Amino acid sequence: EAQVTQNPRYLITVTGKKLTVTCSQNMNHEYMSWYRQDPGLGLRQIYYSMNVEVTDKGDVPEGYKVSRKEKRNFPLILESPSPNQTSLYFCASSLRGGGVESPLHFGNGTRLTVT
Amino acid sequence: GQQVMQIPQYQHVQEGEDFTTYCNSSTTLSNIQWYKQRPGGHPVFLIQLVKSGEVKKQKRLTFQFGEAKKNSSLHITATQTTDVGTYFCAGPEFSGGSNYKLTFGKGTLLTMNP
Repeated sequence: EAQVTQNPRYLITVTGKKLTVTCSQNMNHEYMSWYRQDPGLGLRQIYYSMNVEVTDKGDVPEGYKVSRKEKRNFPLILESPSPNQTSLYFCASSLRGGGVESPLHFGNGTRLTVT
Repeated sequence: GQQVMQIPQYQHVQEGEDFTTYCNSSTTLSNIQWYKQRPGGHPVFLIQLVKSGEVKKQKRLTFQFGEAKKNSSLHITATQTTDVGTYFCAGPEFSGGSNYKLTFGKGTLLTMNP
C-alpha cells in the first residue's frame, strides 16, 4: 500500500531531551516536507526537500533539523525541544515539484508534547 | 511572501444545509489545490484546479477557480455527517531557484449537529 509512515504517533518528552520523528514513504517520491499544525495557525512548513540533494528551510525552521540521506526517509530532529514545539506534526511527500505539480500525501501525524 | 486566506474560519451547519468556503490569494496562482482533514486525521488531497474560471465537481462538492486565478471556492450541497472536517486550500509559492512549495490557508472547520 502506498503510504507515508510517521513514528511515533504520540510522544511526550521533557525540555531539552533530543528526539527524532521518523518519516518514510514507499512511493519513490522526490519531494518530502514537514509541517506543524497548531490551532488557528493552520499548516506551517518547517523544512522541505526537493530531492536527496536539496533540502531547505520552510516558514518555521527554528529549533528543527532534518536530513535526507536517502530518497525514502526524511527524519525530523529536535535537538533541544522546548514547550513551544508542542504541536501536531505531519510529514508529506509528492512525486515532484513541491506538491505543486503533483499532490501531497500526508502521514498520519505525530502529536508531540514537550513539558 | 504570498498569503492564502480562507473564510470563514468556522462554519456550523445543520445536516442537509449547503456549505461554502472561500480562498483568496495575495498573488496570482498557477493552480490551487484543496485538501480535507477529518477530525483526528491527516489532510487528504481532494482536487487541483489549473485553468482560469475552471469548475470541477465531485458528487456534492463543487470547486471553482476564479477568472483572475487569485481566488477559489468549495461548495458542498446538502451536507452530510461525513463532510465534517477542516477544508484547506493551498497555492504554489516560488521558493527560490526553480523550486516551488505549497502555501496553505488556515482552513475552514465544518461542524454539524449529530
